Amino acid sequence: GQNIDQPTEMTATEGAIVQINCTYQTSGFNGLFWYQQHAGEAPTFLSYNVLDGLEEKGRFSSFLSRSKGYSYLLLKELQMKDSASYLCAVMDSNYQLIWGAGTKLIIKP
Amino acid sequence: GAVVSQHPSWVICKSGTSVKIECRSLDFQATTMFWYRQFPKQSLMLMATSNEGSKATYEQGVEKDKFLINHASLTLSTLTVTSAHPEDSSFYICSARVGPGEVQPQHFGDGTRLSIL
Repeated sequence: GQNIDQPTEMTATEGAIVQINCTYQTSGFNGLFWYQQHAGEAPTFLSYNVLDGLEEKGRFSSFLSRSKGYSYLLLKELQMKDSASYLCAVMDSNYQLIWGAGTKLIIKP
Repeated sequence: GAVVSQHPSWVICKSGTSVKIECRSLDFQATTMFWYRQFPKQSLMLMATSNEGSKATYEQGVEKDKFLINHASLTLSTLTVTSAHPEDSSFYICSARVGPGEVQPQHFGDGTRLSIL
């Protein structure tokens, strides 16, 4: 079957750096997406990786290793507003998005 | 940027009522839209894929006669929850792919919080 794993919850301190991991097993691969979802709101698109390596976008970076079925989202200079759930989603060979359950990130002052 | 508008944002109604939710792409044409449901503290669950001009594709376990989807134009898809019951209370979110091709990020509407009394 298809499976996306990411930690349920993580806690970090304001100003610090946090890495949220995502491992996947899917039928084919057409890219991996990261979304941010604040409580009670819809997800917003953060990043897309289809080739191995690191994609940097401001304070957020996303890394992909296709051979390892692994990605991470790196958040730097954490701010209180970064408290949210972070969803990892993989597009399989049928162009279907397979969603992880999300990682709830708690930022403490 | 791509904007997906969803309306209404909040619905409270009696059991047995049918509720229609609209999803519009405001500044782009969306041949494909997606409908999700999310229960509290749970992951997004894809309900159906809505294709303009054709029948929606429903995920396993989703009753197509209960969740009616219409995608009559390139900018509008609607989800109607027919004869809603308390167990249908959930957060319903639509999304649309931006741009041609299937490998595009989905952009989400703001969601509709449905509460059935």
